[in-house]
Amino acid sequence: DVKVTQSSRYLVKRTGEKVFLECVQDMDHENMFWYRQDPGLGLRLIYFSYDVKMKEKGDIPEGYSVSREKKERFSLILESASTNQTSMYLCASRPGIDYNEQFFGPGTRLTVL
Amino acid sequence: TQLLEQSPQFLSIQEGENLTVYCNSSSVFSSLQWYRQEPGEGPVLLVTVVTGGEVKKLKRLTFQFGDARKDSSLHITAAQPGDTGLYLCAELVNEKLTFGTGTRLTIIP
Repeated sequence: DVKVTQSSRYLVKRTGEKVFLECVQDMDHENMFWYRQDPGLGLRLIYFSYDVKMKEKGDIPEGYSVSREKKERFSLILESASTNQTSMYLCASRPGIDYNEQFFGPGTRLTVL
Repeated sequence: TQLLEQSPQFLSIQEGENLTVYCNSSSVFSSLQWYRQEPGEGPVLLVTVVTGGEVKKLKRLTFQFGDARKDSSLHITAAQPGDTGLYLCAELVNEKLTFGTGTRLTIIP
């Protein structure tokens, strides 16, 4: 089974802190994605990566950056957390662009005070 | 970015009843996926529909893609508590998924 794990299920941070959200997949997938999920808005794509060291902006990249130094790990970084970044963050992966299905992690619920 | 609207936003029904939820778009879908997200978990793919008019069945779930490929529906027969969750439709555009707003379904035992 594909396994996508996220470093924390719940996280509480203060405004202005630098926040790292880690995602690891164990199936040698090429592509990885970061979404945020808010009630009534569905999932919105923040950043994605088609390969190691590659990154592309999604629909809402402002206030975020990412890092993909190894194929299995994709990190989301909030340089200076703000209260409007309180949300559920979901990581996903898929084998490659020829595959339609994405495999999701369980999510990290981030609260910024 | 195409807007995918799902309705209803919330639905709460008794075990054993039937239900239908909808996904509508402002333009033609290339292909459409349905995901289910259970509490505390990430979304899991249920089905992908590609052809206008296509119908796919997954046990008690029936997925239909509109003839004009601008809408899709998910029908659940004899709902069970295990069907509880958030149902999301998503369109694949340029190798990326655009998700709908979701229908939160609660089945009452």
